Amino acid sequence: DAKTTQPPSMDCAEGRAANLPCNHSTISGNEYVYWYRQIHSQGPQYIIHGLKNNETNEMASLIITEDRKSSTLILPHATLRDTAVYYCIVRVAPGKLIFGQGTTLQVKP
Amino acid sequence: DTAVSQTPKYLVTQMGNDKSIKCEQNLGHDTMYWYKQDSKKFLKIMFSYNNKELIINETVPNRFSPKSPDKAHLNLHINSLELGDSAVYFCASSQGQGDYSPLHFGNGTRLTVT
Repeated sequence: DAKTTQPPSMDCAEGRAANLPCNHSTISGNEYVYWYRQIHSQGPQYIIHGLKNNETNEMASLIITEDRKSSTLILPHATLRDTAVYYCIVRVAPGKLIFGQGTTLQVKP
Repeated sequence: DTAVSQTPKYLVTQMGNDKSIKCEQNLGHDTMYWYKQDSKKFLKIMFSYNNKELIINETVPNRFSPKSPDKAHLNLHINSLELGDSAVYFCASSQGQGDYSPLHFGNGTRLTVT
């Protein structure tokens, strides 16, 4: 079973920041939080991951709360091409990603 | 260049047939995986191989047999196909086996069993 809870869907205006929340209240101290997205008809695409500290890369930022029970993925300037299903995953073992239902993000013009 | 490539992209076949899906990665990764996405869109791991050695086998029926001729290839053979095998199958790879490096996925093979 997935160890994360995400809202099923969200909308975001093009050009605005998209903030996608994730709850992982049962996360253990050595478990990483990963974010992937799946654009229609494509394979999942890695976005970012983190353990304790906030992380940023060319695609997004990941904000993890101090107690590690929740996190937020931030797409700073959403475009129409960011419309996808976003998965927040707590990685329980190397290679073993347990996907939940994810959040369907719809970016609107 | 496609990092993780699968063939075929679509596969339509009848119940009882045997079919194979091929996967190749050109990333130099040590570990490869097969994931299955069912009609409800849930993605579940099936197998993982590290340097041609089976690491994870998630209670997949014996009709499914992965084969890794070398660390850049992981093929999936399915015998006696059933209607319930219809799904999208994704191949993936990652740098190592004991670490937490990200997985890189192919674009999937949509299998339809009639």
